[in-house]
Amino acid sequence: DAGVIQSPRHEVTEMGQEVTLRCKPISGHDYLFWYRQTMMRGLELLIYFNNNVPIDDSGMPEDRFSAKMPNASFSTLKIQPSEPRDSAVYFCASSPRTGVKNTEAFFGQGTRLTVV
Amino acid sequence: AQSVTQLDSQVPVFEEAPVELRCNYSSSVSVYLFWYVQYPNQGLQLLLKYLSGSTLVKGINGFEAEFNKSQTSFHLRKPSVHISDTAEYFCACSNDYKLSFGAGTTVTVRA
Repeated sequence: DAGVIQSPRHEVTEMGQEVTLRCKPISGHDYLFWYRQTMMRGLELLIYFNNNVPIDDSGMPEDRFSAKMPNASFSTLKIQPSEPRDSAVYFCASSPRTGVKNTEAFFGQGTRLTVV
Repeated sequence: AQSVTQLDSQVPVFEEAPVELRCNYSSSVSVYLFWYVQYPNQGLQLLLKYLSGSTLVKGINGFEAEFNKSQTSFHLRKPSVHISDTAEYFCACSNDYKLSFGAGTTVTVRA
C-alpha cells in the first residue's frame, strides 16, 4: 500500500487566493482526519470524517476553511480566501477502525502551505 | 475531554546515551496512548501504542514506553540512541476516534 497520499507537497500562494489541498486515504480505512501543524499551536485537529461523513469540524478555524469527502478515496481541504496566518503544514491521516476505539492514525507526508 | 502534556520541549543527547521523553495525560475516562515520531519534512509515524494489558510497551527502533495509571504518565525511553533518532516526538491520547497530541519534544542526537 502506498500509504496516505497528499498533494501538493508544497504550495505557495498569494493572500486572497483559493487553496485546495488533496488527500487520498489508505484503501479500506473508515476515518479520515485533517490536521494543521504550526510552531505556535502544534498539531491541531481541524476536522474528521467517518465513512465520508463529517463528524466533528469544531477545529476548523473559520468559515474560510471547508472540507469535503465525496467518496471513500478522496478528500479536499479548501481555504478561500487564504491569509498569511494560514501558513502551516497540513496533514491528512486515515484510520482503519470502525466500532473499536483505538485510533492508530496513518499520516501522509503533509502539504506545506505558504501564503504571502 | 482528554489532553496530553509533554514536559520537555527539547532534549539534547549524545549518541549511544539513553534518553527518556516525558508525557503526562489527563482524562476522566480510560484512554489509549501513543507515541509518534516525525523526521524532518516527513509525516508522523507510529512508534508504539498502549491499548490495554502489559504496562510496558515495546515499539519500533528500540523504543519502549511504560504506562503508569497512578501517575497518569506514559514516558518513552530508549537505552542507546543513534544519530538517526534525531527527530520530533509526539505523545498522543485518545478515548474516542480522534487523537489529542502533545506539543512535541525535539530530540537532537550528537556524536
